[in-house]
Amino acid sequence: DTAVSQTPKYLVTQMGNDKSIKCEQNLGHDTMYWYKQDSKKFLKIMFSYNNKELIINETVPNRFSPKSPDKAHLNLHINSLELGDSAVYFCASSPAGITEAFFGQGTRLTVV
Amino acid sequence: AQSVTQPDIHITVSEGASLELRCNYSYGATPYLFWYVQSPGQGLQLLLKYFSGDTLVQGIKGFEAEFKRSQSSFNLRKPSVHWSDAAEYFCAVREYGNKLVFGAGTILRVKS
Repeated sequence: DTAVSQTPKYLVTQMGNDKSIKCEQNLGHDTMYWYKQDSKKFLKIMFSYNNKELIINETVPNRFSPKSPDKAHLNLHINSLELGDSAVYFCASSPAGITEAFFGQGTRLTVV
Repeated sequence: AQSVTQPDIHITVSEGASLELRCNYSYGATPYLFWYVQSPGQGLQLLLKYFSGDTLVQGIKGFEAEFKRSQSSFNLRKPSVHWSDAAEYFCAVREYGNKLVFGAGTILRVKS
């Protein structure tokens, strides 16, 4: 009964590959997010979707493409992976209104 | 854009001692403030939040935080630290679209 679940938990891949990270929430929330935590543990938002509609798109390379097939899922596809993409990617969700976000366990992406 | 400053990168306290982690935010019309904790290899767990009302808010695991508008601060406190509190702590402020802007984090070490 995990609230926000991400797969995979670890991902090691070579430069130039394309990979996807999946996220699902069973909380019935309207909004989902992707955050990136870099090697210095700094957390920054990448994208936000509300009911499958893109709301926030921070300054992220267009190699990163989020996809929300329904409001319970927000996947992150990354093309042509680079060394600098190595980070922990967190999915999160929140209900409507001003409220906190609920985070998944993170996906540690290592590009070699 | 709002910003969050956590002045202390590392803090070490003895088990049983009191704890205060500092957080300062840039001015927002109505700051919505959060403290999250991240244990090693884990996701982020909400400790507490401040939206309005009583400026002293209670959270989980015996934590509390006090909102001081005059000082633009939202410091996290715990009267007696347990070894299991060792983790990284993030202060965050809400921006538009429920986007969270995080501080750089404070690593708490607990010595026995």
